[in-house]
Amino acid sequence: EAGVVQSPRYKIIEKKQPVAFWCNPISGHNTLYWYLQNLGQGPELLIRYENEEAVDDSQLPKDRFSAERLKGVDSTLKIQPAELGDSAVYLCASSSRGQGSSGANVLTFGAGSRLTVL
Amino acid sequence: RKEVEQDPGPFNVPEGATVAFNCTYSNSASQSFFWYRQDCRKEPKLLMSVYSSGNEDGRFTAQLNRASQYISLLIRDSKLSDSATYLCVVNPIQGGKLIFGQGTELSVKP
Repeated sequence: EAGVVQSPRYKIIEKKQPVAFWCNPISGHNTLYWYLQNLGQGPELLIRYENEEAVDDSQLPKDRFSAERLKGVDSTLKIQPAELGDSAVYLCASSSRGQGSSGANVLTFGAGSRLTVL
Repeated sequence: RKEVEQDPGPFNVPEGATVAFNCTYSNSASQSFFWYRQDCRKEPKLLMSVYSSGNEDGRFTAQLNRASQYISLLIRDSKLSDSATYLCVVNPIQGGKLIFGQGTELSVKP
């Protein structure tokens, strides 16, 4: 079974430039997450989708970040314009309900997209 | 106060040692709990779920104390390959988002 696929793995851009990340979740997983991880920190949720609906985007900086999951499968996360502080790893994860205890979601992560903003 | 807080690291231990990590969470209504492992420059991967009665998987034991709102991970007979960052993860509401702690780094030395 293919895992969660992300691209690009690495991206270096200058500040104020746009950047986009793509994620293809595990087949059949209806929940998709975008997390941001800074060095030495745990992942922080940016947005969570149930199928094509964004059910939690409270932590997404909407002035510069946007995301979509039009057909309820793959997803893109865009930053425009990028700032120096956006340098981080952007992790995509997917889950299928009911895998863990109490019916909670167990996440499978992609390898991440490492962004460097110069 | 952060929603999920972990022991600050790093932990440096010799092979064969027993090491324990603690994690506290702020939401007393939290539903489920996990430990994830993250190798350097890799993605987090599920290590084990944490059940109310405590659970064991080989050399790893996880425990939950709802009254004090903390979970723990015990690693016995540490191996070099256990070197990684261990992330405590809490689900505040059933089916909702997972909240990660900042991670505790473990380095096992020969």
